[in-house]
Amino acid sequence: GAVVSQHPSRVICKSGTSVKIECRSLDFQATTMFWYRQFPKKSLMLMATSNEGSKATYEQGVEKDKFLINHASLTLSTLTVTSAHPEDSSFYICSAYPGTGLNTIYFGEGSWLTVV
Amino acid sequence: DQQVKQNSPSLSVQEGRISILNCDYTNSMFDYFLWYKKYPAEGPTFLISISSIKDKNEDGRFTVFLNKSAKHLSLHIVPSQPGDSAVYFCAASSGNTPLVFGKGTRLSVIA
Repeated sequence: GAVVSQHPSRVICKSGTSVKIECRSLDFQATTMFWYRQFPKKSLMLMATSNEGSKATYEQGVEKDKFLINHASLTLSTLTVTSAHPEDSSFYICSAYPGTGLNTIYFGEGSWLTVV
Repeated sequence: DQQVKQNSPSLSVQEGRISILNCDYTNSMFDYFLWYKKYPAEGPTFLISISSIKDKNEDGRFTVFLNKSAKHLSLHIVPSQPGDSAVYFCAASSGNTPLVFGKGTRLSVIA
């Protein structure tokens, strides 16, 4: 079946540094990728929608200068958390949409970010 | 304003019995509904979906029921197994829009 891979699965970084999380669709071309963040005891929160070759669309309240999203190819989207702070510590999940039907939205395994 | 609501944060069920997870939505434009299962520290796994033109979809032990007039859907798992213990998210969408998730229901299946 289709697989979406996220890397790294866990990362610890120092406050003030930047960290990049990759989301790859391994066996299909993803025209659209979504980035979510999960807060403790809350649902997945959509952060942004990225379409290949164009700028990401950020949801209200998400700082686009802090969470840089690049969707440079049909199989790769990256989320860079810039100048990370401890409150950015969270579980980040990407999903990829091949564009052939709503029931084919595939999720990555998620990435745990801890900022110390 | 929550467009997708899962009012029960947790549910405990005995092994072998039926688990019923409920979900309500407010946006009448939603026409596609999905259930995801999530283990701790992992990404959600797609379970089952239903289009608004149907009122029931079955896949093995999992059945999703949709009541459009009540804007309500439910996921039935029968028989429940300990491996079903996880957080279940209901999600809804219309057209090509991103999924709107509920807050999840933690299911515990007790052996």
